[in-house]
Amino acid sequence: EAQVTQNPRYLITVTGKKLTVTCSQNMNHEYMSWYRQDPGLGLRQIYYSMNVEVTDKGDVPEGYKVSRKEKRNFPLILESPSPNQTSLYFCASSSRQAFFVNTEAFFGQGTRLTVV
Amino acid sequence: GENVEQHPSTLSVQEGDSAVIKCTYSDSASNYFPWYKQELGKRPQLIIDIRSNVGEKKDQRIAVTLNKTAKHFSLHITETQPEDSAVYFCAASNYGGSQGNLIFGKGTKLSVKP
Repeated sequence: EAQVTQNPRYLITVTGKKLTVTCSQNMNHEYMSWYRQDPGLGLRQIYYSMNVEVTDKGDVPEGYKVSRKEKRNFPLILESPSPNQTSLYFCASSSRQAFFVNTEAFFGQGTRLTVV
Repeated sequence: GENVEQHPSTLSVQEGDSAVIKCTYSDSASNYFPWYKQELGKRPQLIIDIRSNVGEKKDQRIAVTLNKTAKHFSLHITETQPEDSAVYFCAASNYGGSQGNLIFGKGTKLSVKP
């Protein structure tokens, strides 16, 4: 089954304690992205990757890191989480193979992060 | 970079009525415009999309129109049903270009009253 898998689904942590949210896709997609969703602000892009070892900042990258060492994985790293990073996070992937087909972005289940 | 504005932020309609959500984008290089539906507690899922080479696309009760000159696109839902209640997001992308990322609008919360 084609899917994007995020872990964990829920996470409560303390300020300053490093954490990683994993994202994995099994569709051989080139594009992967991380978004955060906050009430009234919609989906804001944190980082995106067009392929292995190619990453770029989105609209709200401060306080986050990513890596793309393998095509299927795109972890989101918070080196020193702060309460303003409390949010719902989504990973998404899509294909670059063809413009007229296979352009749908598939989202993971979401990770609800609370930083206290 | 791309900026997508979406209106209205909330929309309440009576069951059976039509609903229209409008978006504008800023980057003339954008060529792919999807719409996502997010039900409460769930992930966004694609409901319809349109590419820059067409002006309109329809799928049963849902249609999307694109005006490239004015840089706006709209979602039309006819004969609304309670199960259409959700948050809808528009997005824009320069697919295949130097940035393959989707930029989303802030969302529209649609409520369909029985």
